[in-house]
Amino acid sequence: NAGVTQTPKFRILKIGQSMTLQCTQDMNHNYMYWYRQDPGMGLKLIYYSVGAGITDKGEVPNGYNVSRSTTEDFPLRLELAAPSQTSVYFCASSYAGQGEYSNQPQHFGDGTRLSIL
Amino acid sequence: AQTVTQSQPEMSVQEAETVTLSCTYDTSENNYYLFWYKQPPSRQMILVIRQEAYKQQNATENRFSVNFQKAAKSFSLKISDSQLGDTAMYFCAFMKPFYGGSQGNLIFGKGTKLSVKP
Repeated sequence: NAGVTQTPKFRILKIGQSMTLQCTQDMNHNYMYWYRQDPGMGLKLIYYSVGAGITDKGEVPNGYNVSRSTTEDFPLRLELAAPSQTSVYFCASSYAGQGEYSNQPQHFGDGTRLSIL
Repeated sequence: AQTVTQSQPEMSVQEAETVTLSCTYDTSENNYYLFWYKQPPSRQMILVIRQEAYKQQNATENRFSVNFQKAAKSFSLKISDSQLGDTAMYFCAFMKPFYGGSQGNLIFGKGTKLSVKP
């Protein structure tokens, strides 16, 4: 059971380059999230999705874009990389439903360490 | 808006001893969820324990237990019989329930770095 899988694990980008961080989950979770973790800080929400075709901004969305064409995949796009985007990025998923399956804890991927030089 | 505060940036404890990590939060919600996550050097985010605000009984998971004081908005984590493998960053997190329009995201504190010494 793979859970939440993020690729790549490490990446170095030059200023102005673009890239996509991949995230896929095999738990049939409807909610997915992207967080960033800066040194010495907790995680902050970048974007989230409540299901295929539905995304919305979190606390720190500037400089990023997302899409959710399937339940499984939730890629994060950096269009013009800037040094301020140097961080560790986490993808997470959870299931929101009825009764005992409501409000389940989030499952996290192993993170992507991204450096912009 | 909800905030989570962890006032202890770093702590250390001797192996086999007990340590308590502090967390306070601010919210106007009556029902919510609180979590402690462990982040070892491997960078994984591992759920340690979860507390539902409407439950008065403190949650326990093996050597981990919480002291949940709803009126004081306090949620501390106690680790008993500390082990070397407990060395990690510990994050306290808050979540509103999904019903009522919440997106279910976690709001994190800045973390406490715990070192367990042999």
